[in-house]
Amino acid sequence: NAGVTQTPKFRVLKTGQSMTLLCAQDMNHEYMYWYRQDPGMGLRLIHYSVGEGTTAKGEVPDGYNVSRLKKQNFLLGLESAAPSQTSVYFCASKPKASVNEQFFGPGTRLTVL
Amino acid sequence: GDSVTQMEGPVTLSEEAFLTINCTYTATGYPSLFWYVQYPGEGLQLLLKATKADDKGSNKGFEATYRKETTSFHLEKGSVQVSDSAVYFCALSDFSGGYNKLIFGAGTRLAVHP
Repeated sequence: NAGVTQTPKFRVLKTGQSMTLLCAQDMNHEYMYWYRQDPGMGLRLIHYSVGEGTTAKGEVPDGYNVSRLKKQNFLLGLESAAPSQTSVYFCASKPKASVNEQFFGPGTRLTVL
Repeated sequence: GDSVTQMEGPVTLSEEAFLTINCTYTATGYPSLFWYVQYPGEGLQLLLKATKADDKGSNKGFEATYRKETTSFHLEKGSVQVSDSAVYFCALSDFSGGYNKLIFGAGTRLAVHP
């Protein structure tokens, strides 16, 4: 099993450009999450999904959109990137019955110039 | 709302030294508590967890005890190795806002030197 994978690993954008980050998991987990990690702030939840076709806002959703058309994939979109979105983005998944033991991908480092 | 506070790093130790990383939390109810570890260039991995008061989580020589009376979940290891160099995150499970989520502390960077 590959676990949780993220594409791409690195990306540099100019202000105003758009992009989509892809998260895929092969563990048949129901729940999936997108976080951003900034220095001194730990991880903050952007959006999450409790199942195929459902998404919801987390702690810092502004400027991001998500979609979960297939159970194994969770996409994070930036429609018009801003320098404040420079960060490391992590995807995670967990089975429905788990007491919040989340499995994390390796991260995507995004720089917005 | 619920929150997690960790000691600021970086923590720098020599190999075989004793490690303590402090973590305290604020929560309504009785959350589960976790320590995650992030090795350089990687995502977070669950290190250990405790789901109720007085539980002790342990893994790879690390231990942490869920102390309800002091609202703490300090991470300890008796003898650290260079390979333990990483960032350690304390987290709690939170069910407020209508969804099940993790709340993380800011992370503590550990550097172990030979």
